[in-house]
Amino acid sequence: NAGVMQNPRHLVRRRGQEARLRCSPMKGHSHVYWYRQLPEEGLKFMVYLQKENIIDESGMPKERFSAEFPKEGPSILRIQQVVRGDSAAYFCASSPLSGGHNDEQFFGPGTRLTVL
Amino acid sequence: GESVGLHLPTLSVQEGDNSIINCAYSNSASDYFIWYKQESGKGPQFIIDIRSNMDKRQGQRVTVLLNKTVKHLSLQIAATQPGDSAVYFCAENFNNFNKFYFGSGTKLNVKP
Repeated sequence: NAGVMQNPRHLVRRRGQEARLRCSPMKGHSHVYWYRQLPEEGLKFMVYLQKENIIDESGMPKERFSAEFPKEGPSILRIQQVVRGDSAAYFCASSPLSGGHNDEQFFGPGTRLTVL
Repeated sequence: GESVGLHLPTLSVQEGDNSIINCAYSNSASDYFIWYKQESGKGPQFIIDIRSNMDKRQGQRVTVLLNKTVKHLSLQIAATQPGDSAVYFCAENFNNFNKFYFGSGTKLNVKP
């Protein structure tokens, strides 16, 4: 049973380009969460999605960032017109179908985005 | 706003000693807590959790203590091993689906 998968593991972009980060949840999980981690800091919640729905995007910057979790395929975190401050590790987590607020979240290995 | 903070950013222990990592949280409504371990270049890994109706929970070599009166959480690791070297985060959740708030982390160095 594969865990949460993220790709790419490392992504380098120049300022102004777009970054697309992908997350495939664990089998049987329909809830996906994205977190951002700056060096030497904890993870900061960005967005919580279920299939085809954004449940909570209160941690997502209002501009340039978007997320989706389509009916088929992985969840995508998209960052348009990247800036150096977007450089961070982006982690995806998934939880089971119940989605209860005390469900354990399983984390992927992360995508490390570097903006030159 | 809510915040989760740690008292010690770095902790060094000798192999075989016990380790205690502390965490303070600010939201008295938090009802679920998780300790995560993060090794370099990897995602957080679940260690142990505790709900607010408990004050202690034990796992294999790990114990989590919750003191709701002072809003304090601790992780105790018995007979610390080199493989325990990592950054440890506490995370809290309060009645808001699965939005977890993470502390800034404590780095545990285990000296052989």
